[in-house]
Amino acid sequence: GESVGLHLPTLSVQEGDNSIINCAYSNSASDYFIWYKQESGKGPQFIIDIRSNMDKRQGQRVTVLLNKTVKHLSLQIAATQPGDSAVYFCAESLGNSGNTPLVFGKGTRLSVIA
Amino acid sequence: DVKVTQSSRYLVKRTGEKVFLECVQDMDHENMFWYRQDPGLGLRLIYFSYDVKMKEKGDIPEGYSVSREKKERFSLILESASTNQTSMYLCASSLGFGYTFGSGTRLTVV
Repeated sequence: GESVGLHLPTLSVQEGDNSIINCAYSNSASDYFIWYKQESGKGPQFIIDIRSNMDKRQGQRVTVLLNKTVKHLSLQIAATQPGDSAVYFCAESLGNSGNTPLVFGKGTRLSVIA
Repeated sequence: DVKVTQSSRYLVKRTGEKVFLECVQDMDHENMFWYRQDPGLGLRLIYFSYDVKMKEKGDIPEGYSVSREKKERFSLILESASTNQTSMYLCASSLGFGYTFGSGTRLTVV
């Protein structure tokens, strides 16, 4: 999950294992959610998104799960690779037009152990 | 390939200087955003703009201003830089929900 404070939550996984990164979002009215990946020295990059009328969406090696009851979002990465090492951010949108700025979580650092 | 370009990767400025951070996008996006990123605090919204010559304050606008004279360019201005503005600054643009980010500008104020 996300934590308040100066230290980034971290997750270490063995190469080839599955990773699960969690995020608790703040507003039950949020209707759109995105996961971003940020590698060292780069800006965040889009991974996958999901709307509030869905509870699961799959991409290539990634799955996002949404539990609106407990306001929880998770990102699952299958067969984690060294290139997956990065900081992962969840973001929520309170609007339905795309004009409401995204609100970002504080991020989780994923380290893949070879 | 679509791009958001931030003019500088690294900047070192002195306290009290006026600092301009430039961001240009080539995707004809309506919306542009400036965030700052600090360890453990995530991305915090400074200012955003939905159209040329318009701007909206984000969560932490104090000490900053912005300018959007052309659709493709969104500038962040630090009127009088202070050491607590040392940070990574990220620009993003969007047409709808998904943002495209630049690579960031790491600003150090000494």
